[in-house]
Amino acid sequence: QQQVKQSPQSLIVQKGGIPIINCAYENTAFDYFPWYQQFPGKGPALLIAIRPDVSEKKEGRFTISFNKSAKQFSLHIMDSQPGDSATYFCAASMDSNYQLIWGAGTKLIIKP
Amino acid sequence: NAGVMQNPRHLVRRRGQEARLRCSPMKGHSHVYWYRQLPEEGLKFMVYLQKENIIDESGMPKERFSAEFPKEGPSILRIQQVVRGDSAAYFCASSEKTGTYYGYTFGSGTRLTVV
Repeated sequence: QQQVKQSPQSLIVQKGGIPIINCAYENTAFDYFPWYQQFPGKGPALLIAIRPDVSEKKEGRFTISFNKSAKQFSLHIMDSQPGDSATYFCAASMDSNYQLIWGAGTKLIIKP
Repeated sequence: NAGVMQNPRHLVRRRGQEARLRCSPMKGHSHVYWYRQLPEEGLKFMVYLQKENIIDESGMPKERFSAEFPKEGPSILRIQQVVRGDSAAYFCASSEKTGTYYGYTFGSGTRLTVV
């Protein structure tokens, strides 16, 4: 019940396309859902996060869609660029806890 | 304003040796978290520390692993008698306040290879 399941494992998209990465969770106590971006040799960096009281959040070219009833959330990257090539992780936590539960990651490649 | 500093970046140890991983949190951050990342997997929580206190070590193996965050100096993750299964990337994060809402800043990690 503590798991966060992420798909796909890897994704190749042409420049300008809209990659979509999906995550699903079981624990309804989760109330904070961040996405992290990780470049090779670097630590994860917070990209965007959402709380379950909204269904969508946009920051620049990045959008989180949240479906509370389905217990799913997804990341969309508009007008994707080669510089967006990285591994993306979804995560979840509950009740201002300090522990993040992580998905397994999606390796995204944007082809020029 | 330096971020979270981890060293060394890469560490190679033979089986049975000790590994010491260091983490200096961001200035003003008093909460430190260690996570482990195995290849092709997400990060797994290990331990949460504040200055001189271990708050939660529920994710850390009971044997061979220990962590500290002294009053002065960096946080240290210590792995005694390393085995091949300890090979992983170890990330440290820090925050100003506790709770994931406040955002973590991660270091670049230490990649431990046990040969």
